[in-house]
Amino acid sequence: DVKVTQSSRYLVKRTGEKVFLECVQDMDHENMFWYRQDPGLGLRLIYFSYDVKMKEKGDIPEGYSVSREKKERFSLILESASTNQTSMYLCASSRGTGNTEAFFGQGTRLTVV
Amino acid sequence: KQEVTQIPAALSVPEGENLVLNCSFTDSAIYNLQWFRQDPGKGLTSLLLIQSSQREQTSGRLNASLDKSSGRSTLYIAASQPGDSATYLCAVRAWGAGNNRKLIWGLGTSLAVNP
Repeated sequence: DVKVTQSSRYLVKRTGEKVFLECVQDMDHENMFWYRQDPGLGLRLIYFSYDVKMKEKGDIPEGYSVSREKKERFSLILESASTNQTSMYLCASSRGTGNTEAFFGQGTRLTVV
Repeated sequence: KQEVTQIPAALSVPEGENLVLNCSFTDSAIYNLQWFRQDPGKGLTSLLLIQSSQREQTSGRLNASLDKSSGRSTLYIAASQPGDSATYLCAVRAWGAGNNRKLIWGLGTSLAVNP
């Protein structure tokens, strides 16, 4: 079974803190993605990575950065958390070619106070 | 620009009904289409993936069809059960180098199956 694991289910952080969200996949997938999901707005892509150390901005990268030092791990960093970054964060992975079925982690509900 | 629409936004049915969820997309040049299920407060679970060369995929009580020429996919759920209550999302992967790395999402259909 493909497994995508996010480091936390729930997080509460203070405004201005630097926040790290970690995601690990065990299927040797080339692609990894970070989304945020908000009511009425659906899933919005923050960043994705198609190889180690490679990254591309998604639709809403402002206020976020990412790191992919190893193929299995993709980290999302909130440089200085703000209340408008309170959201559900979802990590996903997929192969780069062929059967590119995407698999998701369980989500991290982040609250910034 | 590819856009994905899911209608209806919400659906409530009695247990046992067969039902159809709809997903439409504006550009027929797709690599594949994937259906997901999301339970409240949880991540997404992949249900079915249809490659662009396929017309349908089946898994248990679920059947997904794809008609690229009309820009439509349907997810058919047979003999619905209360445990099917969830939000169902479809996502399209576009065709082309670089483009096929990203998924374009609909907003989902929230399904309630009443006992």
